Amino acid sequence: AQRVTQPEKLLSVFKGAPVELKCNYSYSGSPELFWYVQYSRQRLQLLLRHISRESIKGFTADLNKGETSFHLKKPFAQEEDSAMYYCALKAGGTSYGKLTFGQGTILTVHP
Amino acid sequence: DSGVTQTPKHLITATGQRVTLRCSPRSGDLSVYWYQQSLDQGLQFLIQYYNGEERAKGNILERFSAQQFPDLHSELNLSSLELGDSALYFCASSVVPGGQQFFGPGTRLTVL
Repeated sequence: AQRVTQPEKLLSVFKGAPVELKCNYSYSGSPELFWYVQYSRQRLQLLLRHISRESIKGFTADLNKGETSFHLKKPFAQEEDSAMYYCALKAGGTSYGKLTFGQGTILTVHP
Repeated sequence: DSGVTQTPKHLITATGQRVTLRCSPRSGDLSVYWYQQSLDQGLQFLIQYYNGEERAKGNILERFSAQQFPDLHSELNLSSLELGDSALYFCASSVVPGGQQFFGPGTRLTVL
């Protein structure tokens, strides 16, 4: 069975500071990892996925299979980054696509 | 709105009652997923349908059931409701199973 752990429920930083949201996973196969974001009063939306190796809104995340981690990073946080962030895993080798989510981290960026 | 829609937005009911949550997927999406978001359990996968057929089941209670209709909309039925069923219920859809999932705004269920 797969599991996703986000150790921080709350994370506070000041505007312009670097931010890192931690995500660790356990899964014996080859997973796909995602970060979803939920801004206040908005629906959950995909932020980025590891297979794309892209940077969205200044955020990046690298899959580290050795450490089974997929931490989300941004060098200079902005107030508009304040939101709930979920790390999610999709088990490989299946066509079903169900996502296993972490507990989520509420990021607050102070001015 | 061509995105995923869910009705109702809010639902308040009493213990022991039965409710139905509705989800309309994005145009062209054949797969629908249901998730439950609660304070203690976080966001958990409940069940998935593809083109009318159940494809995967997660931590869904026996008191809960779902179906996907020929027009591809889906309904999640929750019966014999308990206080602990109070949560935000999300629906998501994708073109095919395993495709990128797009989430609806959720239905907030409060059981009193």
